[in-house]
Amino acid sequence: AQTVTQSQPEMSVQEAETVTLSCTYDTSESDYYLFWYKQPPSRQMILVIRQEAYKQQNATENRFSVNFQKAAKSFSLKISDSQLGDAAMYFCAYKRSGGGADGLTFGKGTHLIIQP
Amino acid sequence: DVKVTQSSRYLVKRTGEKVFLECVQDMDHENMFWYRQDPGLGLRLIYFSYDVKMKEKGDIPEGYSVSREKKERFSLILESASTNQTSMYLCASIGRAPPYNEQFFGPGTRLTVL
Repeated sequence: AQTVTQSQPEMSVQEAETVTLSCTYDTSESDYYLFWYKQPPSRQMILVIRQEAYKQQNATENRFSVNFQKAAKSFSLKISDSQLGDAAMYFCAYKRSGGGADGLTFGKGTHLIIQP
Repeated sequence: DVKVTQSSRYLVKRTGEKVFLECVQDMDHENMFWYRQDPGLGLRLIYFSYDVKMKEKGDIPEGYSVSREKKERFSLILESASTNQTSMYLCASIGRAPPYNEQFFGPGTRLTVL
């Protein structure tokens, strides 16, 4: 079975600084998808960024980027120029490829605090 | 925009009651999911459905059942609620068209069982 590990229960960063959230996973599959979801206090899960395992290039979405190391099974999220609105729980998630029927496997989450 | 709605944001029930949590999506998605979210445990998959009347157990199905009579609606049922089912419940859906593999989530239902 796949597992996803987020080793940082909580992280704190000054506004405008850069922060990196860690995620490792375990799978025997060669093709899969990885995601970072954000859950603000409103509880709505919002997709931040997605990475297809077959792509070597790291995904980027504005201030959010990932460092995907397939051999090391590592998938970290970097948030540049942190803003107060980035404060939230962040979840790393894994999905096997090959159709949408499979659910996501989530890590336990990292609570990100932004210090003004 | 994809919209996934859940019938209640907050729900309080008593031990032994039968509880229905409803989820509706408006994007004609084939696949729907129910997750449970607990502090320090992340989200865990309870059940999912890949078509009308079809269902599959997830990682923690014990104490739950589901119903999918219509494509847009996926219900989670607690036959006899217990205090250890106090949790946040999140519904999600995903289609077979782009964007592939992106699950869209509802706003969640916080269930308290007294």
